Amino acid sequence: AQSVTQLGSHVSVSEGALVLLRCNYSSSVPPYLFWYVQYPNQGLQLLLKYTTGATLVKGINGFEAEFKKSETSFHLTKPSAHMSDAAEYFCAVSDDPLTSGSRLTFGEGTQLTVNP
Amino acid sequence: KAGVTQTPRYLIKTRGQQVTLSCSPISGHRSVSWYQQTPGQGLQFLFEYFSETQRNKGNFPGRFSGRQFSNSRSEMNVSTLELGDSALYLCASSLEWGGRNEQFFGPGTRLTVL
Repeated sequence: AQSVTQLGSHVSVSEGALVLLRCNYSSSVPPYLFWYVQYPNQGLQLLLKYTTGATLVKGINGFEAEFKKSETSFHLTKPSAHMSDAAEYFCAVSDDPLTSGSRLTFGEGTQLTVNP
Repeated sequence: KAGVTQTPRYLIKTRGQQVTLSCSPISGHRSVSWYQQTPGQGLQFLFEYFSETQRNKGNFPGRFSGRQFSNSRSEMNVSTLELGDSALYLCASSLEWGGRNEQFFGPGTRLTVL
């Protein structure tokens, strides 16, 4: 079964600083990888996804992530943090896309705080 | 296009009762998945429905069940509620069955069991 590990349950950055949220996965098949963001009292919003092709994926709100197969990583970055980026971020992997449908396995989440 | 809607948004029940949560997917979406979110266990997959058939099920007891109607709307039911069932229940819809398809999440139903 797939699994996802997010390093750091809480990350704090200053406004304008680089945001780096770490995600490592385990998978026995080529994975589909996702980053979601959750604001308080809301559902999850997709930031970006990797399925096939280019390993550097650009998403919404200036976020991007790079799929590194050799490191089994899919870290999320943003060059300059904004106050509105404060939220919880989840990395997710699609379980064996060919047989398990849309089922997602999520990491534990990383709470991002942006300081003025 | 309207997003995924879930009703009710908040629910308070007592132990032993049963509850039904509803999810209306985005128009045209045929796959609906349900997730439970708790502070201790995080986000956990409950089940997925496609074309009125359960296609996938997570590791939850039989007290948790669901169904999907011909218009793709879905309901999940929890019987004999326990305190540990208190959680945010999220519904997600996607166009088709399969991991490649983007899932759109609703705002969730927050269930409190007293």
